[in-house]
Amino acid sequence: NAGVTQTPKFQVLKTGQSMTLQCAQDMNHEYMSWYRQDPGMGLRLIHYSVGAGITDQGEVPNGYNVSRSTTEDFPLRLLSAAPSQTSVYFCASSPRGGANTEAFFGQGTRLTVV
Amino acid sequence: GEDVEQSLFLSVREGDSSVINCTYTDSSSTYLYWYKQEPGAGLQLLTYIFSNMDMKQDQRLTVLLNKKDKHLSLRIADTQTGDSAIYFCAGGASGGGADGLTFGKGTHLIIQP
Repeated sequence: NAGVTQTPKFQVLKTGQSMTLQCAQDMNHEYMSWYRQDPGMGLRLIHYSVGAGITDQGEVPNGYNVSRSTTEDFPLRLLSAAPSQTSVYFCASSPRGGANTEAFFGQGTRLTVV
Repeated sequence: GEDVEQSLFLSVREGDSSVINCTYTDSSSTYLYWYKQEPGAGLQLLTYIFSNMDMKQDQRLTVLLNKKDKHLSLRIADTQTGDSAIYFCAGGASGGGADGLTFGKGTHLIIQP
């Protein structure tokens, strides 16, 4: 079982460049989300999706776009990278809410914007 | 929105019990989670508790929930070097939580030999 797969694992961007962080899950989970992790800040929610075609903003959505055209994929787009977006990005997925459900996290993408 | 607070560091001797504390503000958090993150890795769910429970035990882990004080704790019995990691408390309105969890900043558990 692949679980939640994030690519790339590492990326360096120049200020102003755009890129897409990929996230794919093979567990047929309805819920998916993106977090960023910064030192001393814990994880903060960027965007999330409760199903294909449905997305919503989290705590820190500015500078990021998402789409959910399929159940499996939830890409995160940086339109014009800024040094403040240097962070570790985690994608997560889970089944629809209920007892004994669990959010599964990818291994993370370490992004540096110079 | 939800606010989740944790102390940043906890240092314990190997073999002792570790108690990591967390407070939260949103009483609508139905599910409360403890995640473990080892260096350079993603997050691993350790355990969770429903808001209508007071305690949950799972092998060396004991979770205590005080709803009145909005206080959650994770006790790790017989702490081992492999327990060295960052522990995150998180709250969510629905099970699973990938529709949006609120995380604390994480507690670094440091094990002394």
